[in-house]
Amino acid sequence: RKEVEQDPGPFNVPEGATVAFNCTYSNSASQSFFWYRQDCRKEPKLLMSVYSSGNEDGRFTAQLNRASQYISLLIRDSKLSDSATYLCVVNKGGSGNTGKLIFGQGTTLQVKP
Amino acid sequence: NAGVTQTPKFQVLKTGQSMTLQCAQDMNHNSMYWYRQDPGMGLRLIYYSASEGTTDKGEVPNGYNVSRLNKREFSLRLESAAPSQTSVYFCASRGLAGVGETQYFGPGTRLLVL
Repeated sequence: RKEVEQDPGPFNVPEGATVAFNCTYSNSASQSFFWYRQDCRKEPKLLMSVYSSGNEDGRFTAQLNRASQYISLLIRDSKLSDSATYLCVVNKGGSGNTGKLIFGQGTTLQVKP
Repeated sequence: NAGVTQTPKFQVLKTGQSMTLQCAQDMNHNSMYWYRQDPGMGLRLIYYSASEGTTDKGEVPNGYNVSRLNKREFSLRLESAAPSQTSVYFCASRGLAGVGETQYFGPGTRLLVL
């Protein structure tokens, strides 16, 4: 089983749609959670951190369920510019503080006109 | 701030050739990382450096060496390149972001080994 699992997609949605991505992680010692965005042939860039209480940044909402070890990202009113791959990222947790992160394979979103 | 910079952007090598990928960050971060990204595989950690003067193996270290030259710079060396090392290489450094520390990436080096 992968440490961080995501549905690779692709998710094809029309402009203006609401789309949700899910992610599960296996290490219960993980403490920090993030969503990254990666455009084609570019580096991953931090989209948002994921707080235990859930958090919102404009059209983007992230939620964390520690009991189920589940993270979600909701995008409302999708724009063409939202087309990208979204990576679920979890810190490795456990002893030591190496800062090692575990990356999911990514979920590809294509927003169509 | 330039953030994380990498050179070169592109490189073509023949099997057996050696090369060094350079990475530098100007964010005063202690920790730095090297990843490779292959289609369908996601990001895999090659080596990391928790602080200046220390380096440790990641998930896929074979065929690579690293040097943490100073706090700013972390280089990745391929001593004898193989076609299996054809990939996109990303360097990252670690800093604060919201709930915890996360990583900030350079633009990547695309390497083709023939």
